[in-house]
Amino acid sequence: GNSVTQMEGPVTLSEEAFLTINCTYTATGYPSLFWYVQYPGEGLQLLLKATKADDKGSNKGFEATYRKETTSFHLEKGSVQVSDSAVYFCALSGGNYGQNFVFGPGTRLSVLP
Amino acid sequence: DSGVTQTPKHLITATGQRVTLRCSPRSGDLSVYWYQQSLDQGLQFLIQYYNGEERAKGNILERFSAQQFPDLHSELNLSSLELGDSALYFCASSEQGTSGSHEQFFGPGTRLTVL
Repeated sequence: GNSVTQMEGPVTLSEEAFLTINCTYTATGYPSLFWYVQYPGEGLQLLLKATKADDKGSNKGFEATYRKETTSFHLEKGSVQVSDSAVYFCALSGGNYGQNFVFGPGTRLSVLP
Repeated sequence: DSGVTQTPKHLITATGQRVTLRCSPRSGDLSVYWYQQSLDQGLQFLIQYYNGEERAKGNILERFSAQQFPDLHSELNLSSLELGDSALYFCASSEQGTSGSHEQFFGPGTRLTVL
């Protein structure tokens, strides 16, 4: 079945540091890939997505590229801020009705001033 | 604001009781998903409905049940509650149809505390 693996953290960085959170997946067919973010005390928000190989999703300075050859969708940001402290979830969607939607375990990021 | 609403926001009850959580999806979305998130835990997928029909089932206990009504809102029923059922319960919805990326839009969650 479909699965998502991501570094579980926690990850602690200083402000303005470079961020990478690794995500790899296993899936049949051609899934869509997502990064969601959950700020403290809130629900999940879609951060970015990519729907086919070599697509790059980007939002709020975050980027991730759909790499089919390495089955990866790593999240990167060049300069993190304290306000980026949150839990980040990698996810994939498969099936005609989105019934094969799988989330990774989440990575907690703490950014220190 | 995702457009997905959940009520109530907080719920405190006792062991052995039964509660109902309600979710209204975004306008036009036919799919509704339910998730459980315990403290410091990831998301546990419970169940998905598409246009009133059950589409996928995850780690949902037999004490839990759900349904999606003709107006597309959904309810999650939790019965014979135990202390371990204390968690955040999220509802999400996604676009209709068999095409598209099926990205999910999440509600703010219901925090359930079982005493």
